[in-house]
Amino acid sequence: AQSVTQLDSQVPVFEEAPVELRCNYSSSVSVYLFWYVQYPNQGLQLLLKYLSGSTLVKGINGFEAEFNKSQTSFHLRKPSVHISDTAEYFCAVSDMRGTASKLTFGTGTRLQVTL
Amino acid sequence: DTGVSQNPRHKITKRGQNVTFRCDPISEHNRLYWYRQTLGQGPEFLTYFQNEAQLEKSRLLSDRFSAERPKGSFSTLEIQRTEQGDSAMYLCASSNSGGPRETQYFGPGTRLLVL
Repeated sequence: AQSVTQLDSQVPVFEEAPVELRCNYSSSVSVYLFWYVQYPNQGLQLLLKYLSGSTLVKGINGFEAEFNKSQTSFHLRKPSVHISDTAEYFCAVSDMRGTASKLTFGTGTRLQVTL
Repeated sequence: DTGVSQNPRHKITKRGQNVTFRCDPISEHNRLYWYRQTLGQGPEFLTYFQNEAQLEKSRLLSDRFSAERPKGSFSTLEIQRTEQGDSAMYLCASSNSGGPRETQYFGPGTRLLVL
């Protein structure tokens, strides 16, 4: 079984400032890693995913994440946020071994960008 | 690509009533997933279909829950004898096959409130 921990439930940040949203996971097997974003009244949208290879993954909207196997982390970063980045962000994992790519999500981090 | 659609978007019902939700996946997608998201939590996996076959069910899916995907296209999720604890957002996602390249596309969800 896997679990995902997002320690920060809310992250307030000023526009144009950098941001890091933290994600740690626990698993007895190798996993794929994902970040999803959920805007109000909308479904989840994939930001980026790590499957293998380079540990730095670039996604949409200027976001990137770095996989750190020794620390079992997959933190999300953006060098300069915009008001439109205000949303809920979810980190998720899926089991590499399974036939289904069912996702295990963290509890989410609410990013609040203000002027 | 019209995306994943879910109906209704909101449902209010009284305890003990039955409710049914519908999910229309992206047309060429053969996999369909159901997740449940309660307030302040990330989505939790409920079940998934490969074409019309239901291949896995979570222990969260009690006997009161049933899901179908009769022709491998749209899916329905029915909850019988609803309880207040069933109040949640029910999310549907679809994808094209499994494996590491799979990306799940989420619908906007159906928000259920059981009074």
